[in-house]
Amino acid sequence: EDQVTQSPEALRLQEGESSSLNCSYTVSGLRGLFWYRQDPGKGPEFLFTLYSAGEEKEKERLKATLTKKESFLHITAPKPEDSATYLCAVQAHGGTASKLTFGTGTRLQVTL
Amino acid sequence: DAGVIQSPRHEVTEMGQEVTLRCKPISGHNSLFWYRQTMMRGLELLIYFNNNVPIDDSGMPEDRFSAKMPNASFSTLKIQPSEPRDSAVYFCASKQTGTSYEQYFGPGTRLTVT
Repeated sequence: EDQVTQSPEALRLQEGESSSLNCSYTVSGLRGLFWYRQDPGKGPEFLFTLYSAGEEKEKERLKATLTKKESFLHITAPKPEDSATYLCAVQAHGGTASKLTFGTGTRLQVTL
Repeated sequence: DAGVIQSPRHEVTEMGQEVTLRCKPISGHNSLFWYRQTMMRGLELLIYFNNNVPIDDSGMPEDRFSAKMPNASFSTLKIQPSEPRDSAVYFCASKQTGTSYEQYFGPGTRLTVT
């Protein structure tokens, strides 16, 4: 069974204080790893897809990286508007190939 | 594009009543997903459709839940009868089949069963 574990559950940063969120996964064969951002009262918003170990993607202050066992979401010099819950999900090859398995997320709060 | 549209945004109902949640996927997307989100279990896939056909309903908790997709632009998730433990936020998502795998989510329906 595919599993995704995210840590920490919650993270509080001051504006400008860089950090990383972790997503550890177990999957029979990784088709893709996804990062989403979710604001309170809203649906998850797609950020990145990573397909193979060593791949990196960037968007503004966010950079996602992937190894064979985990993914990191690096946040550089965060701003208060980066406060949200960040969700990680994996998609496996074969079977019901469209199915995403989500972690429970990391709640990030960035203060002034 | 307006994105994935869900209605209602909030639903409060009494135990035993029938609840119907509605979803309009993004135009041109041919895969549709229903998820449930709770604090305890996070986001769970209930069912998904490809080209209006149900592909995997293994996440549907029990026979009280049913989903339909009569055409490419509309889907419903029905709970009958509803129970307090069904209280959650229900999301609909859609995507294109093919080279892109990312799913795009709607704003969700917050369901409270009293």
